[in-house]
Amino acid sequence: DIQMTQSPPSLSASLGDKVTITCQASQNINKYIAWYQQKPGKAPRQLIRYTSTLVSGTPSRFSGSGSGRDYSFSISNVESEDIASYYCLQYDNLWTFGGGTKLELK
Amino acid sequence: EVQLVESGGGLVQPGRSMKLSCAASGFTFNNYDMAWVCQAPKKGLEWVATISYDGSSTYYRDSVKGRFTISRDNAKSTLYLQMDSLRSEDTATYYCARHPFGAPFDYWGQGVMVTVSS
Repeated sequence: DIQMTQSPPSLSASLGDKVTITCQASQNINKYIAWYQQKPGKAPRQLIRYTSTLVSGTPSRFSGSGSGRDYSFSISNVESEDIASYYCLQYDNLWTFGGGTKLELK
Repeated sequence: EVQLVESGGGLVQPGRSMKLSCAASGFTFNNYDMAWVCQAPKKGLEWVATISYDGSSTYYRDSVKGRFTISRDNAKSTLYLQMDSLRSEDTATYYCARHPFGAPFDYWGQGVMVTVSS
């Protein structure tokens, strides 16, 4: 089974900051990674699929990159509505989520 | 509008069974693979099981193999998760999710809580 190591587990940022979250897969996942946002008490919302493709409705301040085993997700100019938890998901071989990153306001 | 509505959760004793349902609307149900994803309290997301659009293929995470069964009724646009031999560690919110073939989960239900406790 593919393991996804996501870091950091938590992140503190000020409004307007740029933040970056990383996910490392235990093997090459051929860019089949998606990123989700989850707010407390709500279902996850897909933001990005296939490493860097923004899903319809995702603001352009969100971005993704990477290849092979290593991937990153960034938010430029953090806004208050971005305060949430974020998860990566590999879907190259079955499906595995990263452990999550909780983004808080500094 | 795509809608996924889960039902059937609640409190159940260890070793007992529970069946979750997910009613789908707003899209052609039998064109899509479907999945269950769970989230233990204050924890991260875990994929549980997936079923192909026609029900011919099913996939499970190791910890539920032999205990959980995913199924679907395309005539009723409904997804199911039969959970047997429940354990305390199965306590979680269970989400049903749609995923186009070869693509990640795109639409999610609101979730249903399952608590396994004596």
